[in-house]
Amino acid sequence: NAGVTQTPKFRILKIGQSMTLQCTQDMNHNYMYWYRQDPGMGLKLIYYSVGAGITDKGEVPNGYNVSRSTTEDFPLRLELAAPSQTSVYFCASGGNFGQGTRLTVV
Amino acid sequence: AQSVSQHNHHVILSEAASLELGCNYSYGGTVNLFWYVQYPGQHLQLLLKYFSGDPLVKGIKGFEAEFIKSKFSFNLRKPSVQWSDTAEYFCAVNAIDYGQNFVFGPGTRLSVLP
Repeated sequence: NAGVTQTPKFRILKIGQSMTLQCTQDMNHNYMYWYRQDPGMGLKLIYYSVGAGITDKGEVPNGYNVSRSTTEDFPLRLELAAPSQTSVYFCASGGNFGQGTRLTVV
Repeated sequence: AQSVSQHNHHVILSEAASLELGCNYSYGGTVNLFWYVQYPGQHLQLLLKYFSGDPLVKGIKGFEAEFIKSKFSFNLRKPSVQWSDTAEYFCAVNAIDYGQNFVFGPGTRLSVLP
């Protein structure tokens, strides 16, 4: 039982590049979340999902997309990376958090 | 809309001092409540959670929290802090009727002096 697994742990992107942050949970939870955490700040909800096939916007969804084709996986996509998206990203499910992805856009 | 406030931005204590971190939320319905800890450079770890039952909840590392419904509060306590408790602490509220959306407080930074 791995809980919530995120990949990659670190990534550097150039402006305009795209990438997908992967998140997988093995607890069979319906609810999954993506947050970003900026230095010295709390967590802001980007997107969340209440089950396979259902996603909804959080507080800061602009510049991101998600999908939820299975209960286990909830990937977060950045289509055109911008410096403002430099942050640490956390995936969560059932109150458990992944280890985070530190993303830098240069 | 739901909101969560934490009373202190930064708390500085000496080792063996007692700790209480305040957390208040705005939602009046049924809630689940959480405290998380984030050590420097690490991800969030669940300290404790309240879903129902005994309002005094015991968590890991000697932490406990008390849910006071009439005050919309869920304060975190530890009788004697250690240097290793230096971290950021986040309170979170999950308002059941709002579709399981977690709302986090802004966090309280705890510095414990040896």
